[in-house]
Amino acid sequence: EAQVTQNPRYLITVTGKKLTVTCSQNMNHEYMSWYRQDPGLGLRQIYYSMNVEVTDKGDVPEGYKVSRKEKRNFPLILESPSPNQTSLYFCASSLSVGGANYGYTFGSGTRLTVV
Amino acid sequence: SQQGEEDPQALSIQEGENATMNCSYKTSINNLQWYRQNSGRGLVHLILIRSNEREKHSGRLRVTLDTSKKSSSLLITASRAADTASYFCATDDVYSGYALNFGKGTSLLVTP
Repeated sequence: EAQVTQNPRYLITVTGKKLTVTCSQNMNHEYMSWYRQDPGLGLRQIYYSMNVEVTDKGDVPEGYKVSRKEKRNFPLILESPSPNQTSLYFCASSLSVGGANYGYTFGSGTRLTVV
Repeated sequence: SQQGEEDPQALSIQEGENATMNCSYKTSINNLQWYRQNSGRGLVHLILIRSNEREKHSGRLRVTLDTSKKSSSLLITASRAADTASYFCATDDVYSGYALNFGKGTSLLVTP
């Protein structure tokens, strides 16, 4: 089944403890992206990647890192999480930039709480 | 940079009725997309309409696009309780198509 798999689904952590949210897609998509979703603010893009070893900042990149060493994986790294990073995170992938032809495929989300 | 703005923010209808949601955006686009999100779950792509198209259908969905007014509408006909969800429009930016910019969504409640 074509899908984007995020792990974990839920995560509670403490301030400053490094964490990684994994994202993997099995559709050979070139474009991958991370979003966070907050009440009243909608979805905001954190980072995106147009291909292996090509990543760039979105609208809210502060406090996050990403890497794209393989086409299928696009992990999101929080080196020193803070409470304002408590949010619902989504990974998405598409065949082409911006979902130009077939739209994005989204993962099921990771609900992160930083205390 | 959020570009799409959905209207209304919330909509409540009964099963069998039609639901119409609107989206306005600010800059030139290559395409506009609509997504559905069930509570706390991932977004699901519904339909994509290109800037040179005016109307598109998919099952019970009908999308229109008016580039002169920078607006789009999503019509769901004969709504069902299972259509209860949030609906988002998303636009790219013709000058920088690296991201989809999502609006804040319309929350649709369909009651039996």
